[in-house]
Order: sequence, then structure tokens, then C-alpha cells
Amino acid sequence: DIQMTQSPPILSASVGDRVTITCRAGQSISSSLAWYQQKPGKAPNLLIYGASTLESGVPSRFSGSGSGTEFTLTISSLQPDDFATYYCQHYNSYPWTFGQGTKVEIK
Amino acid sequence: QVQLVQSGAEVKKPGASVKVSCKASGYTFNTYYITWVRQAPGQGLEWMGWISTNSGDTNYAQNLQGRVTMTTDTSTSTAYMELRSLKSDDTAVYYCGRVPFWTGYYVLDYWGQGTLVTVSS
Repeated sequence: DIQMTQSPPILSASVGDRVTITCRAGQSISSSLAWYQQKPGKAPNLLIYGASTLESGVPSRFSGSGSGTEFTLTISSLQPDDFATYYCQHYNSYPWTFGQGTKVEIK
Repeated sequence: QVQLVQSGAEVKKPGASVKVSCKASGYTFNTYYITWVRQAPGQGLEWMGWISTNSGDTNYAQNLQGRVTMTTDTSTSTAYMELRSLKSDDTAVYYCGRVPFWTGYYVLDYWGQGTLVTVSS
């Protein structure tokens, strides 16, 4: 199984901050990576797929980059609605696996 | 609009089985895979497997092989996930999700609201 490791586990930030979350794969997954946002008590919501393609309807302040084993999710200017937990997911091979999550909290 | 509506919460005893449903609407059911993902309380996300709504082919996570069965009823646009021989660590919220497999992007672009399954004696 390919292990996905996210950092940091918790990120404290303020509205307007630029925020970056990292996801590292245990082996190369090309660009087969997605990012999701999850709020408490809700299902996750797809933000980015193919490592860098923004899902329709997702604000442009979200962006993704990377390939191979290292990937980043960036929020260019953190908004109140963005305080949530973020997960990466690879789909390069089976089983698909998720990172353990990064909780973005209010500083 | 696309919707995936799941069945309600369940409480089961260890050793029992549970069957969760996921009714799709707002799109052509047999043109997307359905994937199941679970989340134990306070934990991360675990992929359980997918089913092709067109062919019925399945691909299950190895750690659940032999205990999980995914099926569909195309006449009602409903997918089902049955988990048998339940253990306490199967307690989780179970989500279904739609996968646009033909794009090559095996991601969940729409999710159900989740079904809490509690396993307790």
C-alpha cells in the first residue's frame, strides 16, 4: 500500500493568511492525487484532482501542485469558510489511500 | 442536481451484518462507478472499494475481502454495501461517492451524506 503523509497535522492561521499543506507519497504516484475539504459532521468535498486541476465551483484561492511523491495544497488568502480538515488521496494504484488529514484552525 | 442519499443510522451487535444503501439521482446512474469510504470516529478516511454500475465489476480493499459485498440495482439507481461479521472497530460513518472513472480521475466528485454504523454489544 502507498502511504500518504500529510503535514502539518494541525495548522493555526488567520483570515487572509497564505496557507500551504504538504502531502508526501511513499512512492511515485505521478499526478494521481486529489484534495478534499471536510467540515465537522459533513461529507468531504472534492477541491482538486490530477494534482493541480481545480474542481468546478471551487474558489480560485485554492490551488494544487506537485508530482511524483510531493504535493502541496495552497490557499492564497484564507477565508472564514476555509477552516476545516483537508485530506489528500492517491488513486495511482490499489488500494486508494488517504492522508491522515490537516486541520486548519483559527489562530 | 446530483444527489446521493444514504440510508439511516444503524446499531448492530458484534458478528451481525449491515447493509447500507445509496440512492443516486440527477445523473445517469450507470455512467459512474460508486465507491465506498468509511471514517471511524475522530479518524481519517479509509477506501473500501468500488463497483462498476454498468458491469457489476467490483474492486475491494484487501483488508475487507470476504466480509464486504457491493451491489447495485440499476432499476432504482441504488447502490448497496453489505459488511458482515461486524466488529467494534467497524464502527464508523460510511460514505458512498460517485467516481467519473472514464476521465482517468478516480476521485469522488459527489458524496452521500454518510451513514453511522455503530457496532456494540
